[in-house]
Amino acid sequence: GAGVSQSPSNKVTEKGKDVELRCDPISGHTALYWYRQSLGQGLEFLIYFQGNSAPDKSGLPSDRFSAERTGGSVSTLTIQRTQQEDSAVYLCASSFNPGHPKGTEAFFGQGTRLTVV
Amino acid sequence: KQEVTQIPAALSVPEGENLVLNCSFTDSAIYNLQWFRQDPGKGLTSLLLIQSSQREQTSGRLNASLDKSSGRSTLYIAASQPGDSATYLCGPGANNLFFGTGTRLTVIP
Repeated sequence: GAGVSQSPSNKVTEKGKDVELRCDPISGHTALYWYRQSLGQGLEFLIYFQGNSAPDKSGLPSDRFSAERTGGSVSTLTIQRTQQEDSAVYLCASSFNPGHPKGTEAFFGQGTRLTVV
Repeated sequence: KQEVTQIPAALSVPEGENLVLNCSFTDSAIYNLQWFRQDPGKGLTSLLLIQSSQREQTSGRLNASLDKSSGRSTLYIAASQPGDSATYLCGPGANNLFFGTGTRLTVIP
């Protein structure tokens, strides 16, 4: 696609339910990043993918959070047993690898606003 | 882990002023540095990308400089306009991409 696409754009879920957030990166981008942004706060790094591998999972806040990426393309972020403190905007970004002739500029999606009630 | 600091945290200026936003980072082993803007409730929009071999990059009224060895970058905005009001974030890019908390800019008409 033309840009990074995230779905759904908004999600309201009940406390204790599982949710899946999806990120479609720009075609050909091998690097993919997930961030969380709580209201009025900065970007909190969650996880980074290089292809289908996640070299850095250090930002996942608890074992309720997991992410995968298949075919070097689409990524899903899963939150199990959601809690109210999980309410935030979840942002995804993608880029080419360093050294790629098209450069390494990162592009962001518009985010998924998650509300846990 | 890369630590990114942006100063000031917030800035309010009258329309037409020139201004400078500062970014510092702890790990100088970066491939590039990007400046983004974020409008309320929106994602991040890329403004400028400086490759690690470059010293500066310009786009319209924006000019960004990079001193990789000292871990610093500045974003210069000339002749500020109310439409420039947003939060500005810098992202030093390596094998990961970390951000500070940004500078919230308000340009008063």
